[in-house]
Amino acid sequence: GIQVEQSPPDLILQEGANSTLRCNFSDSVNNLQWFHQNPWGQLINLFYIPSGTKQNGRLSATTVATERYSLLYISSSQTTDSGVYFCAVDERAAAGNKLTFGGGTRVLVKP
Amino acid sequence: DTGVSQDPRHKITKRGQNVTFRCDPISEHNRLYWYRQTLGQGPEFLTYFQNEAQLEKSRLLSDRFSAERPKGSFSTLEIQRTEQGDSAMYLCASSLRLAGTQETQYFGPGTRLLVL
Repeated sequence: GIQVEQSPPDLILQEGANSTLRCNFSDSVNNLQWFHQNPWGQLINLFYIPSGTKQNGRLSATTVATERYSLLYISSSQTTDSGVYFCAVDERAAAGNKLTFGGGTRVLVKP
Repeated sequence: DTGVSQDPRHKITKRGQNVTFRCDPISEHNRLYWYRQTLGQGPEFLTYFQNEAQLEKSRLLSDRFSAERPKGSFSTLEIQRTEQGDSAMYLCASSLRLAGTQETQYFGPGTRLLVL
């Protein structure tokens, strides 16, 4: 099956700093989603982005499908950005959307 | 739209007992997924339904696990004869799959299971 690797595994930021999280995947994908898992375990949708670039407030994401990677940018980080960020992909177009998750990037934003 | 809900949020049980979890998807969503997440790892796919039909099961879903989605609405996940290795967060997600449109999965808050 498809492999998903995220880097870095851990990230410590000072409030206000910018950062880039990376997701590499081993095959072409039909679906790619970024999630933020808060300290209570809730997975929150950030982006649906199998290709292209999207922005939502201080967050933006870019997926270069031909090179099999996606980047999540966090600008002007806040303490509420702390948590684990997951990239999840599915390579199948027609069958059920079985997401394969990366190992996550654990982000801690210090005040 | 109240989002995906799961019940219970926490469950502590003794090894060998049976447990059942419930997931209520977002209204009108035709697909429902179950995932399992162990500490420090990303979620792993278990099974999914399209309407009431269970269309795929992961090899992680041993014969002690069974899932149903009667009438294509809520779903239940039952674990029989629980083992300590079943301790994990069980996550439910739902999505609306229409031809030609993107399919975004929305996750519930999860059920944390601890098997003693």
